[in-house]
Amino acid sequence: ETGVTQTPRHLVMGMTNKKSLKCEQHLGHNAMYWYKQSAKKPLELMFVYSLEERVENNSVPSRFSPECPNSSHLFLHLHTLQPEDSALYLCASSRTGHQPQHFGDGTRLSIL
Amino acid sequence: ILNVEQSPQSLHVQEGDSTNFTCSFPSSNFYALHWYRWETAKSPEALFVMTLNGDEKKKGRISATLNTKEGYSYLYIKGSQPEDSATYLCASLTGGGNKLTFGTGTQLKVEL
Repeated sequence: ETGVTQTPRHLVMGMTNKKSLKCEQHLGHNAMYWYKQSAKKPLELMFVYSLEERVENNSVPSRFSPECPNSSHLFLHLHTLQPEDSALYLCASSRTGHQPQHFGDGTRLSIL
Repeated sequence: ILNVEQSPQSLHVQEGDSTNFTCSFPSSNFYALHWYRWETAKSPEALFVMTLNGDEKKKGRISATLNTKEGYSYLYIKGSQPEDSATYLCASLTGGGNKLTFGTGTQLKVEL
């Protein structure tokens, strides 16, 4: 139990669907992150929010849209994804940008 | 070094063996080096965050060293146990920002 909860754990969707991934932490952390893990590739940072403001957008396509309504919740809205977007999506949080990150268990996303 | 590189990619050792692996990272504009352990079907777990050249950190049978001038860190495991089987990730933080750049990891399998 890391204190970071992600839902759903698994998601299968068609390319025309719209879905959202949810991440929740009650660790009192101020920074939250979305990462993508594709097979045989390193963990790839997608977005960073610090104090609910987006501070990093790592050249992610606009079909991925993050939302951070408060310091405890982070969403990743998905729209018209491509097959190459199939991956494990991990959420993490940290007290500040320089502290160790606490990860959720991830959402395994499959695009049909 | 432009990216974070880890070697070896995978490693099989016998129970009781001591082992070590390497993380190479860009030495310019260095801020911090993170180590994580990622067991199958679990979330990555922070082991160490290191910032100072020459720093050495220890957690039970696992220790790590840091050389910021030449851009490398070693992770050591003394007396490996089957429960040490996992992928060990390192990640570099540069410029004091929020963006961690991960290596592809070293996959360790400890056999009885």
